[in-house]
Amino acid sequence: EAGVAQSPRYKIIEKRQSVAFWCNPISGHATLYWYQQILGQGPKLLIQFQNNGVVDDSQLPKDRFSAERLKGVDSTLKIQPAKLEDSAVYLCASSFRQGSEAFFGQGTRLTVV
Amino acid sequence: GENVEQHPSTLSVQEGDSAVIKCTYSDSASNYFPWYKQELGKGPQLIIDIRSNVGEKKDQRIAVTLNKTAKHFSLHITETQPEDSAVYFCAAIISGYSTLTFGKGTMLLVSP
Repeated sequence: EAGVAQSPRYKIIEKRQSVAFWCNPISGHATLYWYQQILGQGPKLLIQFQNNGVVDDSQLPKDRFSAERLKGVDSTLKIQPAKLEDSAVYLCASSFRQGSEAFFGQGTRLTVV
Repeated sequence: GENVEQHPSTLSVQEGDSAVIKCTYSDSASNYFPWYKQELGKGPQLIIDIRSNVGEKKDQRIAVTLNKTAKHFSLHITETQPEDSAVYFCAAIISGYSTLTFGKGTMLLVSP
């Protein structure tokens, strides 16, 4: 069974630039999550999708972050404009349904300089 | 919302020793408690989980215990090996209702 795929693995951008991350969840998984993991901390949920609908985006900085999952499969997370404090690993995860076992991708390490 | 506290933040043991990591949670409605292992440059990987209707679960050298009354759960690793070195995260969730809340992680270092 293929796991959660994310790209790119690494990204370095200057502050105020924009960046986008892509995630392909495990086939058949209805729930998709984007987490932000700052160095030395646990993952923090940014947004959760159930199929193509948003379930929870309460911790997403909506003035600069956006995410979509148009067809209920792949998802993209965008940051525009980026700030230095956005430097982190962005993890995508998926689960068969909300609250069931979540599988994580390898993450995208973002460095904002 | 849920708050998960995890201790210790770092743990160094000798190969063959046991390691214990403890977590507490705040929301008594939480009923699913997974543990993740994260190796350098990789995403978290589920290693064991426990549901609120069970007090203990074991899988080879790894075990998890849950005390619902005290709202704490622990990960126990016996006969540690250098390949157990990683960051371990506990998490809590109300299954089917809420999203995972993670602890801050424990860096486990197993010295040969």
